[in-house]
Amino acid sequence: GEDVEQSLFLSVREGDSSVINCTYTDSSSTYLYWYKQEPGAGLQLLTYIFSNMDMKQDQRLTVLLNKKDKHLSLRIADTQTGDSAIYFCAERSSGGYQKVTFGTGTKLQVIP
Amino acid sequence: EAQVTQNPRYLITVTGKKLTVTCSQNMNHEYMSWYRQDPGLGLRQIYYSMNVEVTDKGDVPEGYKVSRKEKRNFPLILESPSPNQTSLYFCASSADRNNEKLFFGSGTQLSVL
Repeated sequence: GEDVEQSLFLSVREGDSSVINCTYTDSSSTYLYWYKQEPGAGLQLLTYIFSNMDMKQDQRLTVLLNKKDKHLSLRIADTQTGDSAIYFCAERSSGGYQKVTFGTGTKLQVIP
Repeated sequence: EAQVTQNPRYLITVTGKKLTVTCSQNMNHEYMSWYRQDPGLGLRQIYYSMNVEVTDKGDVPEGYKVSRKEKRNFPLILESPSPNQTSLYFCASSADRNNEKLFFGSGTQLSVL
């Protein structure tokens, strides 16, 4: 079945860039997502990319997709303390029921 | 305000005592689902529903039941809870089965003693 993997922790200094990585196995993925979970809250969609794109930029966020290697990354420029959260990578399969499979989540700690 | 509302936020119970976690959305979404979040395992789907009276198993359905009698509500039922069901539960909804954007509730932290 589908599998999405991420490293569990990342620690960066305020003002630096953060790069969160994700690998997935489903070659028929149509969309790939990044969700953000702040403490005590549910997940919120941060950004997404279509599988036929290589890159998407949205203000401080840059998503890179390497479809050949099934590798997705999220870069946060000028990381702020408010960016501290758990970031989930997710992929959506093609077909009749387009299931979304989530990764394990990466906890980002921003050090002031 | 568009939202997914889960109740309760916190629940402590004992093994074998039936419980229901409610979920309601006000966006007229067709698709709803339940996930559980466990450390190191991320989110795993328990059950989903593509419309009223249409439900199906996700990846970890054992020990859970759901119902979808109305579009807005999708309760999660644990008939006989066990300690391995101690987890953080999330309800989610989206406009259709394409799941372009999932809206999540705030979560229910369940402890089964």
